[in-house]
Amino acid sequence: DQQVKQNSPSLSVQEGRISILNCDYTNSMFDYFLWYKKYPAEGPTFLISISSIKDKNEDGRFTVFLNKSAKHLSLHIVPSQPGDSAVYFCAASAGGSRLTFGEGTQLTVNP
Amino acid sequence: GAGVSQSPSNKVTEKGKDVELRCDPISGHTALYWYRQRLGQGLEFLIYFQGNSAPDKSGLPSDRFSAERTGESVSTLTIQRTQQEDSAVYLCASSLGGTGSETQYFGPGTRLLVL
Repeated sequence: DQQVKQNSPSLSVQEGRISILNCDYTNSMFDYFLWYKKYPAEGPTFLISISSIKDKNEDGRFTVFLNKSAKHLSLHIVPSQPGDSAVYFCAASAGGSRLTFGEGTQLTVNP
Repeated sequence: GAGVSQSPSNKVTEKGKDVELRCDPISGHTALYWYRQRLGQGLEFLIYFQGNSAPDKSGLPSDRFSAERTGESVSTLTIQRTQQEDSAVYLCASSLGGTGSETQYFGPGTRLLVL
């Protein structure tokens, strides 16, 4: 039962443009959502998070949007840079500490 | 300060052998987590330690998997009688207090290959 899904395994964008990564979830008990970035041979690094009481959180070039009615969240990166090329994981928790992760989306930003 | 460290970074073993993976969390972090990432998949929760509380073992896939933690420091994940399907990257993470809204900091992982 995949409670967190990232339906796009890969995304390619041009440098300077916006990257939009999407994530859907099924568990209505999830109340905290996070995005992690992962480079090859490294562990995931925290990028940005959002609580279920908000619908938007912004940090520099990164913005996360949460649509609770649609059980959907997205990560916007603008402007995209080649160094943003990595695998992006969406994760969620339901009042506890264990995170449920999506399968990841490989973002490639072309110079 | 130092981040989460894991050892070994790579491990190749034969089917049926036991393996032990080690995690050193960030100093002062009371919560420690183990996850597994199989090829092409997301991270899968295995086990969670919080202080002196009983660990949450609900993610362990079989009784061949076990984990221990010494106080609020080092943790070891043991896989007995390894199978080929155990091949994965095993990731450890730690967080300050273990609440749901905390950032988990990940180590680089141990890449396990079972032949």
